[in-house]
Amino acid sequence: NSKVIQTPRYLVKGQGQKAKMRCIPEKGHPVVFWYQQNKNNEFKFLINFQNQEVLQQIDMTEKRFSAECPSNSPCSLEIQSSEAGDSALYLCASSRDNYAEQFFGPGTRLTVL
Amino acid sequence: QQQVRQSPQSLTVWEGETAILNCSYEDSTFNYFPWYQQFPGEGPALLISIRSVSDKKEDGRFTIFFNKREKKLSLHITDSQPGDSATYFCAARAGGYKVVFGSGTRLLVSP
Repeated sequence: NSKVIQTPRYLVKGQGQKAKMRCIPEKGHPVVFWYQQNKNNEFKFLINFQNQEVLQQIDMTEKRFSAECPSNSPCSLEIQSSEAGDSALYLCASSRDNYAEQFFGPGTRLTVL
Repeated sequence: QQQVRQSPQSLTVWEGETAILNCSYEDSTFNYFPWYQQFPGEGPALLISIRSVSDKKEDGRFTIFFNKREKKLSLHITDSQPGDSATYFCAARAGGYKVVFGSGTRLLVSP
């Protein structure tokens, strides 16, 4: 069973509002990934970190999305100005290294009204 | 462009039957293929995975068959149970970093 913790489980925001979600990776997993799963079950990779450093991110993330993984604090994903199209399940996954299995948390379900 | 394709979209089997879920991919550099099981309201859970050097991986009632030449793989669930009813995602990765997911097969096991 995965030990990735995500909070909050549900988040409701109005358009233009900030939305912030957090992730605590499994102990001993320095690599963290964020994915977006939409209502059609399509997964989109957003960004990943090794310790505090960004390894990869998509263009979308560079504009309205920001993420960080500070040492000794939960990782976070923040949407600066939420849009209706951002409504989705945001999944955090962690891994021992870049080549190991990724284990997912329960997700944060964001609804943008 | 969908890099990982799954079929069927949904599948219903009777309890005790074998469910066969199919997956194909485009990118010949993919070398690691995990399958995830997701229940409503939960995140995906890693079920079983295979690396491209193998053609079969077994774990209890779950078996992956892998055909590198045809870029196809399948997940066989033997003796299906109602508790196996979930959405199953085939995924793929080339080297490290991000995993690419298929769109899932929704499995229903009827008692």
